[in-house]
Order: sequence, then C-alpha cells, then structure tokens
Amino acid sequence: SAVISQKPSRDICQRGTSLTIQCQVDSQVTMMFWYRQQPGQSLTLIATANQGSEATYESGFVIDKFPISRPNLTFSTLTVSNMSPEDSSIYLCSVSGQGRFYEQYFGPGTRLTVT
Amino acid sequence: EDKVVQSPLSLVVHEGDTVTLNCSYEVTNFRSLLWYKQEKKAPTFLFMLTSSGIEKKSGRLSSILDKKELFSILNITATQTGDSAVYLCASGSARQLTFGSGTQLTVLP
Repeated sequence: SAVISQKPSRDICQRGTSLTIQCQVDSQVTMMFWYRQQPGQSLTLIATANQGSEATYESGFVIDKFPISRPNLTFSTLTVSNMSPEDSSIYLCSVSGQGRFYEQYFGPGTRLTVT
Repeated sequence: EDKVVQSPLSLVVHEGDTVTLNCSYEVTNFRSLLWYKQEKKAPTFLFMLTSSGIEKKSGRLSSILDKKELFSILNITATQTGDSAVYLCASGSARQLTFGSGTQLTVLP
C-alpha cells in the first residue's frame, strides 16, 4: 500500500480565514479523494481530486468553499475557505488504484478546529 | 440514496471475549465491501470483500460477505485492549465509497 502524509496534522484557525491541507503520496496513484469527518460522525466524501482537471464534488460541497488542486499523480491540496466553527472536523485524503476492486488507503488526517 | 448501516453503535466487552460487528448495505454500484479500524484519525484498512461466502482472515479478525442478503460481519476473537477502536464498514466502488456510522468497540482489561 502507498505511504500517505498530510500537513498540517492539526490546526486551530479563526473564523473567516482559510487553511490549505496538503496530501503527499510516495508513489503515483490514479485516484485521490478528500473526506470530512465531523465530530462523532462517519466519513463523508467531499470530492475526487482529478489530475489535470477540475475536482468532482459531491452533493453539498462546492468549489468556492473547498477548492482542490492536483498538479500531479502524487500530490493534492484541499483548501477550506472562509471557515466557520461548523468546519471543525478531521479532513482525510485517501488514494486508490484504478479498477473495480481497489481498496482505499487513508492519510493520517488533519484535525481542524475553528474558533 | 446509497446507505450503509452498522450495528451495534457501541459495544463494551472484556478481554478474551468474542465480538461480532454487523454491516448492511444498499448501494447502487456495488463492487466491494471494506472494513476499516479507526483509532485516532486515520482509518486503517482491514479487509476488502467482493465475493459471497468466502471468509477473509487476519489473525484474530475475520470477515465474510453475503451478497444475497446484503450484509457483512466482522468477527474478533480473544479480544485485547488494543482492539478498542471505531470499526467502519464501507461499500461501493473504487470511485465512490459510502461509509457507515461505525461501531465503537471498547475492550476492558
């Protein structure tokens, strides 16, 4: 499985500001995803990060709020914009191979607290 | 709408006990069912199941899938305190996974 790192591991931010989270993989991967896990909740997919094109967002998530970049096959960023306390969550990136039966592996996560 | 339901929501056992965690699913594009263990932030992959009736096993953990009845179970035998975690079930395809709400397992010494 790929080795995935995320930066920062945690942050405390003021409302109205933005934070960019980085996800780095040690090998080229086809699929990269961004998830959010709000306190006491399960994982919710924010978007699929597509290399060389715009991310594919899930219902309820928009590019203006969560802009995503994926400049190559090993790196992606998620920005949480104009933050409010409701954005306090764990943000996770995951990767998967291409094909029908590839499992997803997760990065260590970023714990974001918005005050 | 895709749905994955796990039960029980929480479970408290003593070391040495055997536990069974349940996962039922309704997804439009089923390719596999996955189990993860989440201790702090990152879910750790445990199993991926794609075929009915074939048990996957890793040490004290095992899992099986029933595609006819749309459910899976995760068994943990001889539980240890290190097994305390949230166990997540997810179903779908490589492009789209739907996660259940998880089972919080607490193993007391």
